[in-house]
Amino acid sequence: EPEVTQTPSHQVTQMGQEVILRCVPISNHLYFYWYRQILGQKVEFLVSFYNNEISEKSEIFDDQFSVERPDGSNFTLKIRSTKLEDSAMYFCASSDRVGNQPQHFGDGTRLSIL
Amino acid sequence: AQSVTQLDSQVPVFEEAPLELRCNYSSSVSVYLFWYVQYPNQGLQLLLKYLSGSTLVKGINGFEAEFNKSQTSFHLRKPSVHISDTAEYFCAVSYTGGFKTIFGAGTRLFVKA
Repeated sequence: EPEVTQTPSHQVTQMGQEVILRCVPISNHLYFYWYRQILGQKVEFLVSFYNNEISEKSEIFDDQFSVERPDGSNFTLKIRSTKLEDSAMYFCASSDRVGNQPQHFGDGTRLSIL
Repeated sequence: AQSVTQLDSQVPVFEEAPLELRCNYSSSVSVYLFWYVQYPNQGLQLLLKYLSGSTLVKGINGFEAEFNKSQTSFHLRKPSVHISDTAEYFCAVSYTGGFKTIFGAGTRLFVKA
């Protein structure tokens, strides 16, 4: 079964540094998402992306965050100046349609900010 | 506000016992409902989904869930659990035309021998 793949599995970064998390969605999917899960807390929606633009974002997704689909296969989340509270597991997901989906999730990138 | 409530944060059960994990959601519009499972250090795996039609949905690994619109519930059940079912289970909801999936806080299931 096709999978969503995320790299790296664990990223350690100094506070204030930029970080880019990478995802390869399922190849025929059109909708892409990022979620985060702070340790011990629920999975939270960050942003959805379709047709090369953001379709919906949460209040968490402020100006420090950006997403990009730089080519036909990758989908990235960039955090410009990381803060301690950005430490979390970040999940990428994709779906072949909106609403009537499930979203298929990757195994996540654990981001640790020092 | 849209929300999902999982009433039990942790559920210990003995192997081969029946299981019910509770989930309630708030909604005034049509919903799609999901249960995901997360094994340690892994991503979210879809167990089952309700999109429309029959209110009893069957998923992988012997799990099933029943959509109850009047009670806004989507409880997960399994007749007999195994040690390998030990994991965290998330109930989730999305809304017609919406992009995001809203997750409950999760229920950590411990299956004991």
